Amino acid sequence: GGIITQTPKFLIGQEGQKLTLKCQQNFNHDTMYWYRQDSGKGLRLIYYSITENDLQKGDLSEGYDASREKKSSFSLTVTSAQKNEMAVFLCASTGGGSGNTLYFGEGSRLIVV
Amino acid sequence: GDSVTQTEGPVTLSEGTSLTVNCSYETKQYPTLFWYVQYPGEGPQLLFKVPKANEKGSNRGFEATYNKEATSFHLQKASVQESDSAVYYCALSDQGSGTYQRFGTGTKLQVVP
Repeated sequence: GGIITQTPKFLIGQEGQKLTLKCQQNFNHDTMYWYRQDSGKGLRLIYYSITENDLQKGDLSEGYDASREKKSSFSLTVTSAQKNEMAVFLCASTGGGSGNTLYFGEGSRLIVV
Repeated sequence: GDSVTQTEGPVTLSEGTSLTVNCSYETKQYPTLFWYVQYPGEGPQLLFKVPKANEKGSNRGFEATYNKEATSFHLQKASVQESDSAVYYCALSDQGSGTYQRFGTGTKLQVVP
């Protein structure tokens, strides 16, 4: 088995600040994802990456940057934190293919003060 | 584009009663359909998936049939337990969406003794 580790578990920042979330996986999966979870809105895709150095925008990419410098890691940056962006951010990975299961981390909660 | 619509929560049931969470989808492709479950403090995890139309998936007493004609994938359980309290997400992936999965808004289930 494997595990997805997200850090930090809670990220507190000020409005306008650039903030970065990190994700590591030891499944040796090719594809990694960042989803945003808001109550009543489900999971919405921000960015995904099908291999090292690849980046694909999801439905919610505006206001975010992502980086996949290694196969095992995928980071997400909030370019200018806003209070209406407080949510849980979930990292996931899969071995690829349209029918494959996603494996999720426990999530990182963004708090903007 | 693709979309997934599911029962709005929260849903509160007594132990031993039956559960149905409705899920309908829209896509022009041939999707794989998923149910994920998320317990408090954890990331979503796969409950089961069904890649082919008219087939049934099941796990831990939960089941759903991939109904291509009705474009539905309703989650059912005959007798819920307090330990089933969680958020349930319906999702689809298909070749048209690349390698990512599109999720419904989630249905929070609370089972009371």
